[in-house]
Amino acid sequence: AQSVTQLGSHVSVSEGALVLLRCNYSSSVPPYLFWYVQYPNQGLQLLLKYTSAATLVKGINGFEAEFKKSETSFHLTKPSAHMSDAAEYFCAATYGGSQGNLIFGKGTKLSVKP
Amino acid sequence: DVKVTQSSRYLVKRTGEKVFLECVQDMDHENMFWYRQDPGLGLRLIYFSYDVKMKEKGDIPEGYSVSREKKERFSLILESASTNQTSMYLCASSPPQARGGYTFGSGTRLTVV
Repeated sequence: AQSVTQLGSHVSVSEGALVLLRCNYSSSVPPYLFWYVQYPNQGLQLLLKYTSAATLVKGINGFEAEFKKSETSFHLTKPSAHMSDAAEYFCAATYGGSQGNLIFGKGTKLSVKP
Repeated sequence: DVKVTQSSRYLVKRTGEKVFLECVQDMDHENMFWYRQDPGLGLRLIYFSYDVKMKEKGDIPEGYSVSREKKERFSLILESASTNQTSMYLCASSPPQARGGYTFGSGTRLTVV
């Protein structure tokens, strides 16, 4: 079955440090890929999406992600963490099909230390 | 600004009550989804719908039902609420094939006492 795997349920970084959240998908056919952010007691907000136009995708709040087909990965990065980045991040993929339901990873909770 | 609106942010209900969670979208999307979210378990799909009056079971439909009488509205029903249904409930919508992803509502945190 197709799946999305996020390595690390919790990641902690210091303010100003690099943020790297890992996501791998399981298919030889590249899917459409997404990163969502969820702040406490809120819904999910789309950060960025990969739809095959460019392998490096820039999103909101200074985040970006790089699609690497050879590694079946779509890792999320931000050069310098800010306290306001503390949230839970979800990677998701759709493999098309007639309706194209999203498959979600289990999420990574990012903590930012002052 | 397009949006998905969930009728309540916080809800407290008693065991055995019938509970309705309402979700309305203004984007004319065909697809609508209900998820529940629990710590350590991620997002779990309860039910989804691709069109008016149609519904499909997701991964955890037991104890829930849904209604979609109009395209913009998708209701989740807990026929007899139980304490193990205490959770965060998220509604989402998308066009067919979801190539742009889903749009989520703000969530309803339901507590069953």
